[in-house]
Amino acid sequence: GQSLEQPSEVTAVEGAIVQINCTYQTSGFYGLSWYQQHDGGAPTFLSYNALDGLEETGRFSSFLSRSDSYGYLLLQELQMKDSASYFCAVYNNNDMRFGAGTRLTVKP
Amino acid sequence: EAGVAQSPRYKIIEKRQSVAFWCNPISGHATLYWYQQILGQGPKLLIQFQNNGVVDDSQLPKDRFSAERLKGVDSTLKIQPAKLEDSAVYLCASSLLGQGLAEAFFGQGTRLTVV
Repeated sequence: GQSLEQPSEVTAVEGAIVQINCTYQTSGFYGLSWYQQHDGGAPTFLSYNALDGLEETGRFSSFLSRSDSYGYLLLQELQMKDSASYFCAVYNNNDMRFGAGTRLTVKP
Repeated sequence: EAGVAQSPRYKIIEKRQSVAFWCNPISGHATLYWYQQILGQGPKLLIQFQNNGVVDDSQLPKDRFSAERLKGVDSTLKIQPAKLEDSAVYLCASSLLGQGLAEAFFGQGTRLTVV
């Protein structure tokens, strides 16, 4: 079967760096994506990794290790507006499935 | 470009009643997803369409849920009869292609409350 594991909550202060980990188990793996969702809002796409390594997009970076079935989202220079839930999502042969989400709280 | 449109935004029904949700994906997007998101949880995939064919509906409770995608464009998701545990936000998303070859764009969702 499929499974995705990510921490349920993370707290950090403004300006800090935070890393949200995701481990997965699936067959027919294609890639790993990250989505951000503010309370009451829709998930929005942040990044996608199909190959091993680091992808950087502004303050956000995402990493994938296919051999370890592991990835992470790195958020730098945290801002208050980054307080949200972050989901990793696995793409396989058939579909796109989400983890349970990590709630990030950024404190002043 | 216009985003993914969903309606209604909110719906309150009594248990055992039926309800339908509508989704209009971004023009040209071949892949359409329906997710159920219960408060505090991640989106759970209910069904994925590629054009008007079903790619995956393994997590769709087929005794009460049904979905169709007409002419590979709009889609409807129906629940009949509804149960209390169906209370959730129903999200529709679309992408150009499946398998993560393109990002998925989500609609604002329909918040269903079953009382």
